[in-house]
Amino acid sequence: EAGVTQSPTHLIKTRGQQATLRCSPISGHTSVYWYQQALGLGLQFLLWYDEGEERNRGNFPPRFSGRQFPNYSSELNVNALELEDSALYLCASSPDGGSSYNSPLHFGNGTRLTVT
Amino acid sequence: AQSVSQHNHHVILSEAASLELGCNYSYGGTVNLFWYVQYPGQHLQLLLKYFSGDPLVKGIKGFEAEFIKSKFSFNLRKPSVQWSDTAEYFCAVTSSGGSYIPTFGRGTSLIVHP
Repeated sequence: EAGVTQSPTHLIKTRGQQATLRCSPISGHTSVYWYQQALGLGLQFLLWYDEGEERNRGNFPPRFSGRQFPNYSSELNVNALELEDSALYLCASSPDGGSSYNSPLHFGNGTRLTVT
Repeated sequence: AQSVSQHNHHVILSEAASLELGCNYSYGGTVNLFWYVQYPGQHLQLLLKYFSGDPLVKGIKGFEAEFIKSKFSFNLRKPSVQWSDTAEYFCAVTSSGGSYIPTFGRGTSLIVHP
């Protein structure tokens, strides 16, 4: 089975610009989670989408947003980029849409965003 | 709100040494617990998980973890590490108190010298 795929692998932007990151979940998975992995801070929860709707969001400003498409792929948008947004952005999928909390997450390789 | 603490941020061991990585969580209700591993250049993957039943769970590559409810802990162990265990290890928890969102610890970087 194909894993979670993320694109692009690397993204370099200038402060104030917008970044768009993409994620395709494992086939059959309806839930997509976005995490920010900044150096030394572990994984910080950003957003959770399921069945096309935003189910929950973490403690991040509104300039972090996204959506989930009918094919369950997802997009993360970061507006008005700041230097501290530089991080690895991880997408993960799970099959059960939050109906239980038993299923582990399946992660992609991430998008390395660098803001200069 | 739930939180996860990993006390060891950097661990350096020689091959064949024993490993124990600490993980404590804050939520007092029913929890599911996970350990994930991120090998250099690879994506995060599941090492083992605890849902219910036997508090000693075994995962891949000889790893095991013990759930001690009274201590809110889920420590990861391996009796004899190998150079190939060099990786970053993350503890995670889900619970109804956290709206089912997996919460991760900051991670522990393990370096094993041959």
